Amino acid sequence: DVKVTQSSRYLVKRTGEKVFLECVQDMDHENMFWYRQDPGLGLRLIYFSYDVKMKEKGDIPEGYSVSREKKERFSLILESASTNQTSMYLCASSSTGGASETQYFGPGTRLLVL
Amino acid sequence: GNSVTQMEGPVTLSEEAFLTINCTYTATGYPSLFWYVQYPGEGLQLLLKATKADDKGSNKGFEATYRKETTSFHLEKGSVQVSDSAVYFCALPKSGQAGTALIFGKGTTLSVSS
Repeated sequence: DVKVTQSSRYLVKRTGEKVFLECVQDMDHENMFWYRQDPGLGLRLIYFSYDVKMKEKGDIPEGYSVSREKKERFSLILESASTNQTSMYLCASSSTGGASETQYFGPGTRLLVL
Repeated sequence: GNSVTQMEGPVTLSEEAFLTINCTYTATGYPSLFWYVQYPGEGLQLLLKATKADDKGSNKGFEATYRKETTSFHLEKGSVQVSDSAVYFCALPKSGQAGTALIFGKGTTLSVSS
């Protein structure tokens, strides 16, 4: 079974802090994704990566950056946290093989920025 | 680009009632279609998928048929249980490129009472 883990389930940070959200997958997937989930807005793509050291902006990249130094790990960075970044953050991964579109999700990190 | 629209809830049913959650899509070609489920406090799990027109995806008593004529992928279950209470998301790939991100509907919250 694919397993995607996220470093924290709940996080409380202060405005202006630099925040790191970590995601690790154990299935040797090439593609990894960061989404944020907000009530009434569904899931929105922040960034994705299709290979080590490669990244692409999603629909809402402003205020975020990412890092992928190893294939299994994809980090989301909030350079200077703001209250409007309070949200649920979901990491996902997928392969580039036959069922390439199927994404597997982690449990999510609920971030509160005060 | 591709897009998806699903009925918004909340949907409130009694145990053993019939469930339908509507999902329609706009896409170039015939992409795979997905239903994901999110139980309280958890990440998203793949519920079922269909990879080509007229395919029926099924899992845990849920079914959805890929209908290209009506561009729909409605989720159904003949007899819901309290344990089905969750948020359900319809999704499809953002593009035809391998490893692409998914586009999600805004989610439908289902509450089942005994």
